[in-house]
Amino acid sequence: GQSLEQPSEVTAVEGAIVQINCTYQTSGFYGLSWYQQHDGGAPTFLSYNGLDGLEETGRFSSFLSRSDSYGYLLLQELQMKDSASYFCASNQAGTALIFGKGTTLSVSS
Amino acid sequence: NAGVTQTPKFQVLKTGQSMTLQCAQDMNHEYMSWYRQDPGMGLRLIHYSVGAGITDQGEVPNGYNVSRSTTEDFPLRLLSAAPSQTSVYFCASKTGTGELFFGEGSRLTVL
Repeated sequence: GQSLEQPSEVTAVEGAIVQINCTYQTSGFYGLSWYQQHDGGAPTFLSYNGLDGLEETGRFSSFLSRSDSYGYLLLQELQMKDSASYFCASNQAGTALIFGKGTTLSVSS
Repeated sequence: NAGVTQTPKFQVLKTGQSMTLQCAQDMNHEYMSWYRQDPGMGLRLIHYSVGAGITDQGEVPNGYNVSRSTTEDFPLRLLSAAPSQTSVYFCASKTGTGELFFGEGSRLTVL
């Protein structure tokens, strides 16, 4: 089967750094994506790792290690507006994306 | 550009009724897909299409049909609705670099 595992909940305070891990077991793996979803909204794209290593986009970074079937999303300088659900997704053979169950991040002041 | 447009946004059905969720995109994306989202279950892929005339099953295809007659439209059909199909449905199209653009979602309740 295909699966992506990520923690269900993470809590942090404003200004802190948080890392959301994702391990995957999928066939035809092409790369790992990350999406953010606020309550009642649609998921929005954050980042994509097609190669091993770190990708940085502003306060957010994402990492992939194919040999470990592992990736993470790093959020720095946390803000209240970062409270949301975060999903890792496996890009399959260039077509279908399979999602993990999501991590709910709660940022407190 | 409107992006990905889903209709209706809300729908209540009785068990056994049929309906179609509409999805249209104006970004000329070849790839389109349907997901359902249930609490604690993440986004589960129902069906997807890599171009007009081509569709394939995802993780949870049972009870749903799709067709893709044009690049722009990818409707999802429920032939005989069941309470287990109560969910939020998202349509998404994908760029050539793999980024998914989602519609705002359709909230379906089956009584």
